[in-house]
Amino acid sequence: EDQVTQSPEALRLQEGESSSLNCSYTVSGLRGLFWYRQDPGKGPEFLFTLYSAGEEKEKERLKATLTKKESFLHITAPKPEDSATYLCAVHKMDSNYQLIWGAGTKLIIKP
Amino acid sequence: DGGITQSPKYLFRKEGQNVTLSCEQNLNHDAMYWYRQDPGQGLRLIYYSQIVNDFQKGDIAEGYSVSREKKESFPLTVTSAQKNPTAFYLCASSTKTGFGLDQPQHFGDGTRLSIL
Repeated sequence: EDQVTQSPEALRLQEGESSSLNCSYTVSGLRGLFWYRQDPGKGPEFLFTLYSAGEEKEKERLKATLTKKESFLHITAPKPEDSATYLCAVHKMDSNYQLIWGAGTKLIIKP
Repeated sequence: DGGITQSPKYLFRKEGQNVTLSCEQNLNHDAMYWYRQDPGQGLRLIYYSQIVNDFQKGDIAEGYSVSREKKESFPLTVTSAQKNPTAFYLCASSTKTGFGLDQPQHFGDGTRLSIL
C-alpha cells in the first residue's frame, strides 16, 4: 500500500538547537517529493521539490535531502519563527494528479 | 500579487443545508484541487480539475460536488449528504501535471467549516 509517514509527530527544540524531520515513503516509483510549511489557520506554503535520490535543496536554515526510501528536512540553528507544521507529500510515477500526504510534524522552537 | 483566494474563512452549516466554498486563482494555472484536512491526518483529495468543464473525483468525493466553468474558479459545494463535514478545506492550483518536471501545488488559506 502506498504510504507516507512523518516522524516525529511533534518536536520541541530550543532556539539554536539543530535537528531533522523525517518523511519515509513506500510508493511504486517516485515522481517527486514536496515539502511544505503550514502555519496555524493557513494553507501550506511550498518549500522544496526533490526528484531523485541524492538530491539536496537549501533555503535559509532549512535543507531537504532525499534517498530511495525517505527524505529529511534538516533545520540548522532554528529560530522561534520556524515554528510551524511541516508537511511532506509524494507524487507517484503512475499518477498524473494525486499526491500522497503525510500527517505532518509540528515543530515548536522555544526562545 | 498572484495567488489563491478562498472565502469565507469561516462557515457554519445547519442540518440539511448545502453550503458552497469559493476558490479563485489568478496564477493562470490549469489544474485546481480541493482537499480536506482533519487533525492528525494527511490532506485528502476531494476533487480535482485539469481543465475547464472537466473534473474528477478524488478519494473522498462522496457528499461533495464541484464545477469548473472558468479557469480561475473552482467552487466546492458541501451537500447535506456529507454527514461529517466539520474540517478545514483547502483549495490548491498548479500548472498542468503530466508534462516535464513535477510542479508544486500552491494553496489558499482555507475555509473552516463547522456544524451548527
